[in-house]
Amino acid sequence: QKEVEQNSGPLSVPEGAIASLNCTYSDRGSQSFFWYRQYSGKSPELIMSIYSNGDKEDGRFTAQLNKASQYVSLLIRDSQPSDSATYLCAVNINQGGKLIFGQGTELSVKP
Amino acid sequence: NAGVTQTPKFQVLKTGQSMTLQCAQDMNHNSMYWYRQDPGMGLRLIYYSASEGTTDKGEVPNGYNVSRLNKREFSLRLESAAPSQTSVYFCASSGGRSQPQHFGDGTRLSIL
Repeated sequence: QKEVEQNSGPLSVPEGAIASLNCTYSDRGSQSFFWYRQYSGKSPELIMSIYSNGDKEDGRFTAQLNKASQYVSLLIRDSQPSDSATYLCAVNINQGGKLIFGQGTELSVKP
Repeated sequence: NAGVTQTPKFQVLKTGQSMTLQCAQDMNHNSMYWYRQDPGMGLRLIYYSASEGTTDKGEVPNGYNVSRLNKREFSLRLESAAPSQTSVYFCASSGGRSQPQHFGDGTRLSIL
């Protein structure tokens, strides 16, 4: 079983819709969770951090964490074509700050 | 406000050549990391340095060496490059165990 799993996509949503990206992880001891956005040919860019169960909102982005279900998600409201990118879920496994990354979900927002 | 700076941005090598990828951060972070990213493989950790003076192997360390020169700089060396090491290499840094990592722009390395 992979330590961090994401649907590879591509996930296609129309402009203005809500995009929902999901991630599951295997290490119950994980305490820190991150979402990165990566445009084609660019480096990963941090967009959300979440440490506690529940929701965390930042502008159009909401991260949701459920440690009991070992599940973290990212919602993007009012999706824009500029949101088209690959979204990487990363989980801290508490070994020297190492992160385990999922394979990423490719999101395409159609005008 | 440079963040994490990687040099060079692009490099083409011949099989058997050696080279060093450089990484420097100006965020006073303790921890630094080297990843490679290949199509369909995601980000894979090569080596990391939890603090100045320490280095540890990651998931794919074979064929690489690292040096944590000081708190700011963490270099990655390919002693005898192989075509399988053709990849995009990212350096990252973080402020601590539970903190996010911040990435440099990457080095695109091709080995012929």
